[in-house]
Amino acid sequence: QLVESGGGLLQPGGSLRLSCTASGFAFNRYSMTWVRQAPGKGLEWVSVISNNGGSTKYADSVRGRFGISRDNSKNTLFLQMNSLRVDDTATYYCARDSYSNFDVWGRGTLVSVSS
Amino acid sequence: QSALTQPPSASGSPGQSVTISCTGTSSDVGAYNYVSWYQQHPGKAPKLIIYEVTKRPSGVSPRFSGSKSGNTASLTVSGLQAEDEADYFCSSYTGGMNYVVFGGGTKVTVL
Repeated sequence: QLVESGGGLLQPGGSLRLSCTASGFAFNRYSMTWVRQAPGKGLEWVSVISNNGGSTKYADSVRGRFGISRDNSKNTLFLQMNSLRVDDTATYYCARDSYSNFDVWGRGTLVSVSS
Repeated sequence: QSALTQPPSASGSPGQSVTISCTGTSSDVGAYNYVSWYQQHPGKAPKLIIYEVTKRPSGVSPRFSGSKSGNTASLTVSGLQAEDEADYFCSSYTGGMNYVVFGGGTKVTVL
């Protein structure tokens, strides 16, 4: 099971840190991914981190502004979001990543960026 | 990396089959057998229903099947049921910094 938290309403230029707490599987054996979905729109892959945190990748749309990290001792995944823009408004899902197949998803947390 | 191309909508009557296409390029769908399909009901999280082009996760109905030819992958839903009415998204590994690309989604309606 995955449970996201940390979403909210904020102004453009602001920062937010999302968390995703995992249970029921060996968290430290899996890569983890963030996927977002703007209201009424499709899915967009955001970022991935390897099981030990040693490798990360980002979508062009967030590279340089977002940072993914994890704490395997606490079974928790993070997404630090800086310099937020209106078009970052979306539901953010964390997902367990098995060779680019996202086989376990959280329920999502809504991030709204508006002036 | 551009999104994969899916038709915006598809429909069929109960018991019929519907097939959804997902067109990419030789750099994503055509290059790797890491195409996945996700089902999403309104207000719910996506659910993995096909991975690695043709494989079904445990618990997913055998009415869902996947295939690929060249740069185009397809999802077929056989014996349509009311519960199959949902949005369906394909994705592909890209091998590059953008890692995974999704299709725009197809809304399946059961008539």
